[in-house]
Amino acid sequence: NAGVMQNPRHLVRRRGQEARLRCSPMKGHSHVYWYRQLPEEGLKFMVYLQKENIIDESGMPKERFSAEFPKEGPSILRIQQVVRGDSAAYFCASSPPTGAYETQYFGPGTRLLVL
Amino acid sequence: GEDVEQSLFLSVREGDSSVINCTYTDSSSTYLYWYKQEPGAGLQLLTYIFSNMDMKQDQRLTVLLNKKDKHLSLRIADTQTGDSAIYFCAESIGGYQKVTFGTGTKLQVIP
Repeated sequence: NAGVMQNPRHLVRRRGQEARLRCSPMKGHSHVYWYRQLPEEGLKFMVYLQKENIIDESGMPKERFSAEFPKEGPSILRIQQVVRGDSAAYFCASSPPTGAYETQYFGPGTRLLVL
Repeated sequence: GEDVEQSLFLSVREGDSSVINCTYTDSSSTYLYWYKQEPGAGLQLLTYIFSNMDMKQDQRLTVLLNKKDKHLSLRIADTQTGDSAIYFCAESIGGYQKVTFGTGTKLQVIP
């Protein structure tokens, strides 16, 4: 059973460009979470999605950031018009649909560098 | 409010025990977790404890929870060089799994 997959692992963008980060959850998992880790800091929750639904986006910046988890395909975190402050590691996690307190399994992360 | 605090750095000698501490502020925490992050890698779940437990042991790892003081600790027995990593304490609150992470403790194991 493959773990949570994220791609690309490293992404370089110039200021003003768009960044698209993809996350494929573990097989059988229908809950996806995105976290951001700034250099030398812990992970900060961004958004929690289930298939075709955003459940909690309280950690998402109000502008330029969006996330989706379509019925088919991976979850996408999209950052428009990137700025240097967006440089960070973005981690995706997934959990199964059963129960209320399943633990989350993390992907290896996408390291975004904005030049 | 949600706030999880950890000391930033810990250095131990190989073979000694390591104790990494964490404090949290939200008394409604349901699960508390310890994750390990090696350089350039994602997070690996090491262990977790339900909030109505005091202790959990899993091989070399022992988790102690003092709910009154909102204090969580991770003890690693017989620490090895492969244990060198950043360790994150985390808590989940509420009816789903929104997880709040601490800032991480960097463990350095000296051979």
